[in-house]
Amino acid sequence: KAGVTQTPRYLIKTRGQQVTLSCSPISGHRSVSWYQQTPGQGLQFLFEYFSETQRNKGNFPGRFSGRQFSNSRSEMNVSTLELGDSALYLCASSPPDISNEKLFFGSGTQLSVL
Amino acid sequence: ILNVEQSPQSLHVQEGDSTNFTCSFPSSNFYALHWYRWETAKSPEALFVMTLNGDEKKKGRISATLNTKEGYSYLYIKGSQPEDSATYLCAPYNAGNMLTFGGGTRLMVKP
Repeated sequence: KAGVTQTPRYLIKTRGQQVTLSCSPISGHRSVSWYQQTPGQGLQFLFEYFSETQRNKGNFPGRFSGRQFSNSRSEMNVSTLELGDSALYLCASSPPDISNEKLFFGSGTQLSVL
Repeated sequence: ILNVEQSPQSLHVQEGDSTNFTCSFPSSNFYALHWYRWETAKSPEALFVMTLNGDEKKKGRISATLNTKEGYSYLYIKGSQPEDSATYLCAPYNAGNMLTFGGGTRLMVKP
């Protein structure tokens, strides 16, 4: 069974640009959640999608957005990039119930904003 | 936003030592508690998901206990090995439908 796939692995952007990251969940998993990891910070929840609907959103500005497609693949978008957006972005998939089902993480996208 | 605290922040032990870490979280609106292991250059890997007060889970040399009434969980590693070196993350899931990760405990096991 293929794992969670995130693309691209590395990305370099400049301030003000926008970026789109992609996440393909494990087959059969309908929940996809996104997390940001910055130096000195723990994993911070961005949002979770289930059946193309955002189920929950973390405490991030509106520049961070996402969506999920009918095949459960998800994308997250960050507009007007800031230096502080440099981080490792992880997505995770799980069977329907994120609460008591283990998350399966992708390898992440390392975003550098210059 | 939940206040999730993990202690200690880092730990150095010798191979063969047994060790334990703590995860503290608000007990109100508790639904589940996740533990993950995150090795350098790899993705976080799920260890346990625990839901019931008094729950105990075991996976090889690693075990965990849960106290939902007082809001804490312990993770134990028996006979630590160098391959156990990783950051261990806990994450409670509350009724607000959000998984909140703690800052982690970084374990380093010296051969």
